[in-house]
Parts: sequence; structure tokens; C-alpha cells
Amino acid sequence: KQEVTQIPAALSVPEGENLVLNCSFTDSAIYNLQWFRQDPGKGLTSLLLIQSSQREQTSGRLNASLDKSSGRSTLYIAASQPGDSATYLCAVKLGGGAQKLVFGQGTRLTINP
Amino acid sequence: GAGVSQSPSNKVTEKGKDVELRCDPISGHTALYWYRQSLGQGLEFLIYFQGNSAPDKSGLPSDRFSAERTGGSVSTLTIQRTQQEDSAVYLCASTNLGDTQYFGPGTRLTVL
Repeated sequence: KQEVTQIPAALSVPEGENLVLNCSFTDSAIYNLQWFRQDPGKGLTSLLLIQSSQREQTSGRLNASLDKSSGRSTLYIAASQPGDSATYLCAVKLGGGAQKLVFGQGTRLTINP
Repeated sequence: GAGVSQSPSNKVTEKGKDVELRCDPISGHTALYWYRQSLGQGLEFLIYFQGNSAPDKSGLPSDRFSAERTGGSVSTLTIQRTQQEDSAVYLCASTNLGDTQYFGPGTRLTVL
């Protein structure tokens, strides 16, 4: 059974710092991995999607890497801003034709002005 | 364009009552998903619809839960004889040929 773990559960840093969020998964047979952002009381917003054949994806100040063989992904946020405060979730899409996403518990990020 | 919409945004019901939750996916999206997000359980898959294919119901927690998708568009998630453990935020997502899932704002269900 695929399990996804995110560390840390919560993180608080001052504005302007670069930071890394971690995601690990137990079964390397994934189709892709996505990072989402969730604001309080809101739905999820997709940030980056990495296909299983890719090593990383970048969007603005965000960079996500994927090491499928070791079951790890990281989300790097450069020059953090208070508006980056949210819960960040990673999710893997299983291989073998399965369509569902398996989510981690999330990292609650607070950027202090 | 319009995103995924869900209604109601909040629902409070009494234990034992039936509830219906609605999801309007992005127009033209062929795939639709329901997830449940509860404290301590994270976000868990419930059911998946793709076009006219039989839905993947493998995530439904009990036979009190059912869902349908009419005309390949709007979907309704029905929970019969609600229990307190059904209290959660129910999220709907849709996607087309790409892999990115677009999520609605969710319905917060509280069972008293």
C-alpha cells in the first residue's frame, strides 16, 4: 500500500528565507507526483506536476524535484513571502492504470513578516 | 473560465439523515474525482468517474456512500444515514486529458 509522508508537519520562517519541504513515498511505481497548496477553508491549487520520467519542474520561485528510486520529492521555495503561508500537500498518482491520488498529511507553512 | 464549483459550501445535519453533495466540474473535463479531508486522516480518495466507463468506487468507506455523474457532467455524492465520523470536508476535482487535477472549494459536512 502506497504511503506518503511529509516532513515537517509545520514550519515557520522569517520572510525572505529559502526553504525546502520534504515528501517521501513508499512505492516507487508512481505515474507522477504533484505539489498542491491549500489556503484555510479553500480547495487545493496545483503548483507543480512532475512526471515519473522527469527529475524536476520549476514555476517562478518554486522548484520541485523527484527522485523516484529513493521515493523522495522536495519543494524548494525561494525568497519566501507572507503570501506563501498555506498548507502544502504532495500527492502521488499510482502507476498501473490507477487514477487516484495518494496524499501526504501536508506541511503547514507560516512566513513571518 | 469558471472553475470547479461545489454546493452547498457548508452542511449541518443530524445523525441518521441523508445528505447530497453536488459538484459541477470544469466544462469539458472528462474525469471527476471525489475526495474526503478529515482531521487526522488527511485527504483520501473516494470515487473516480471517467467518461462513460464504470466508476472506480474503491475508496468509498461503506455502502452508505454512493455517487453518480449525470450526462458526463454534474456529480452528486450521497451519504445515507449519516454518522458523526462522516464529518469532513468533501472535495471534488476534475481533469481532462492532462494530469493536473483542479479542485473545488469543498463542502464542509458536520453531523451532529
